[in-house]
Amino acid sequence: EPEVTQTPSHQVTQMGQEVILRCVPISNHLYFYWYRQILGQKVEFLVSFYNNEISEKSEIFDDQFSVERPDGSNFTLKIRSTKLEDSAMYFCASYRSSMNTEAFFGQGTRLTVV
Amino acid sequence: DQQVKQNSPSLSVQEGRISILNCDYTNSMFDYFLWYKKYPAEGPTFLISISSIKDKNEDGRFTVFLNKSAKHLSLHIVPSQPGDSAVYFCAAMTTDSWGKLQFGAGTQVVVTP
Repeated sequence: EPEVTQTPSHQVTQMGQEVILRCVPISNHLYFYWYRQILGQKVEFLVSFYNNEISEKSEIFDDQFSVERPDGSNFTLKIRSTKLEDSAMYFCASYRSSMNTEAFFGQGTRLTVV
Repeated sequence: DQQVKQNSPSLSVQEGRISILNCDYTNSMFDYFLWYKKYPAEGPTFLISISSIKDKNEDGRFTVFLNKSAKHLSLHIVPSQPGDSAVYFCAAMTTDSWGKLQFGAGTQVVVTP
């Protein structure tokens, strides 16, 4: 069964450093998302991406965050200068089309900022 | 942002019995409601969804009921199996922001033998 793959599974970084979280969505999917879940809190939407541009972003997704799909397969989330409060589980998700309600999620990347 | 609420953080049920998970929402603009299941160290997995124009959707052991007037939905799992032990998230989205899911806090279900 096709699946969304995220790397790394766990990333530890020092405050102020840049991190790039990687996702390989399912190959025929067209809509891509990043979510995060801070420990003990809800899963929250960060950004949606379609047709090589951001469709929508949350208030959390400020200038420190960026996304891109550099090679048509990988979908990356970059945090330029990490803060302690960026520590969370980050999930990538994708949809095949806007007619589907089923989002496929990756297994997540646990980001720890120290 | 409390648009989707799951007020029961945990539920314990005996194997073979019915599990009923509840979810309330405040945004009347939601068009679709979904349930996701999550095991530790894995991402959420889609279970079942329902359109706001329906009041029931069934898929095998899983049935979702929607009461729009009460802004309430529930997930019934019958019969419950040990493999159902997981965290269950209620989520909702609007057609205008397709795919942007608003999640509830989750309910931890434990199915005991």
